[in-house]
Amino acid sequence: DTAVSQTPKYLVTQMGNDKSIKCEQNLGHDTMYWYKQDSKKFLKIMFSYNNKELIINETVPNRFSPKSPDKAHLNLHINSLELGDSAVYFCASSQESGRAFFGQGTRLTVV
Amino acid sequence: RKEVEQDPGPFNVPEGATVAFNCTYSNSASQSFFWYRQDCRKEPKLLMSVYSSGNEDGRFTAQLNRASQYISLLIRDSKLSDSATYLCVVTSSGGYNKLIFGAGTRLAVHP
Repeated sequence: DTAVSQTPKYLVTQMGNDKSIKCEQNLGHDTMYWYKQDSKKFLKIMFSYNNKELIINETVPNRFSPKSPDKAHLNLHINSLELGDSAVYFCASSQESGRAFFGQGTRLTVV
Repeated sequence: RKEVEQDPGPFNVPEGATVAFNCTYSNSASQSFFWYRQDCRKEPKLLMSVYSSGNEDGRFTAQLNRASQYISLLIRDSKLSDSATYLCVVTSSGGYNKLIFGAGTRLAVHP
C-alpha cells in the first residue's frame, strides 16, 4: 500500500488555467505538507497542516490555496497558472519531528 | 544567506571509496537534524537522523556539531546504488515541525 499518494503524477496545462493536485496519506499522521521543487532542485515548503488546521503558510501567492477536508487529505488548488509555477510539487506527512514521508511528486508544466 | 547550505557537487567517486558531505545551518535554535536521499526524478526519503553524539547506520555515519552549526555525512565503501542527491535537513525552532532543506549534494559512484 502506498503511504502517501498524490495525483496526478504529471500535469501539463496552459497559462491561466486552474488546476488541483490531490494528496492522501494512510499513515495516520497528524501533519501534512506541500513542498515545491523548482528547476534548481531546491525543495521549499509552501504549506503545512496539523489535524486539518493550517499552521505554516510561507510566502506563497494567494493563487495557491490548500484544503484539508480531513487529516488524511491535503489538496492544493492553483488558480491562474503562470509559467513560473512549473515545478515538481511534493506532498508529505509526518508524525515525528523531521521524519517525513513524501509522495511521488506531481510534475507540473505550464505552457 | 540560505538557512541550510551544502556543496552541490557532483562528487564523482569509484566504488569502494569513502566520501564525506558537509552542511552548515544558520539558525542556532534549529532543533533536529537529518539526512535525506533523493534519487533522480523520485521523492526524498529519510536516510538517517543526526545526533550530537554522532550515529552510525551500516556504512553511513552522521555527525552534528552544534557549536559550529555543522552537520556531516560519511559514506564508507561506496556502492553504485549510493548514487543520488543527499539532502541536509533541519527543523525550525518554531514548534511547527517545519523541515528546511539544503539544495543537496549530488553523488555519482562509478565502477
